[in-house]
Amino acid sequence: GNSVTQMEGPVTLSEEAFLTINCTYTATGYPSLFWYVQYPGEGLQLLLKATKADDKGSNKGFEATYRKETTSFHLEKGSVQVSDSAVYFCALSEGGSGAGSYQLTFGKGTKLSVIP
Amino acid sequence: DSGVTQTPKHLITATGQRVTLRCSPRSGDLSVYWYQQSLDQGLQFLIQYYNGEERAKGNILERFSAQQFPDLHSELNLSSLELGDSALYFCASSVATFHSSGRNEQFFGPGTRLTVL
Repeated sequence: GNSVTQMEGPVTLSEEAFLTINCTYTATGYPSLFWYVQYPGEGLQLLLKATKADDKGSNKGFEATYRKETTSFHLEKGSVQVSDSAVYFCALSEGGSGAGSYQLTFGKGTKLSVIP
Repeated sequence: DSGVTQTPKHLITATGQRVTLRCSPRSGDLSVYWYQQSLDQGLQFLIQYYNGEERAKGNILERFSAQQFPDLHSELNLSSLELGDSALYFCASSVATFHSSGRNEQFFGPGTRLTVL
């Protein structure tokens, strides 16, 4: 079955530091890949996505490139801010049984804390 | 605000009881997904409904059931509750039509925190 493995946290960085959160996946076909972010006490928000190999998703300074050869989708940001403190989830979606069954398979999440 | 609403926000109940969680999808979205977030299992897909019909099942216990009504809102019913059912339950919605490319973004609600004592 499908699975997502992401680096365990927590990760603590100083403001303006470079961020990398590693994510690798296992899938039977050609999934879409996502990064979701969960701020304290809130639901999940889509941060960025990529739907095919070599696509780069980007949003709010975050980037991730869909690498089929290494089955990876690492999240990066050049300069983190305190407001980026949250839990980040890597996820994949692959068409399941029948049209419209695109449930997400999530990694375990990485908690990021950015200190001033 | 994602446009997906969930009620109640918090629910505290006792073992053996039954509860119902409610979700209203974004306007125009036909698909509703339910996910469970717990400390030990992480985020797990439970079940999906599309336009009133069950579309896919994940790691959903037999004690749990769901349905989607004609107005597209969905309810997740949890019965014979156990301590281990304590978790955050998220609902998400997407357009997910038969003619979609299959890359539909899911929009998540704020979740219902269930505590079983």
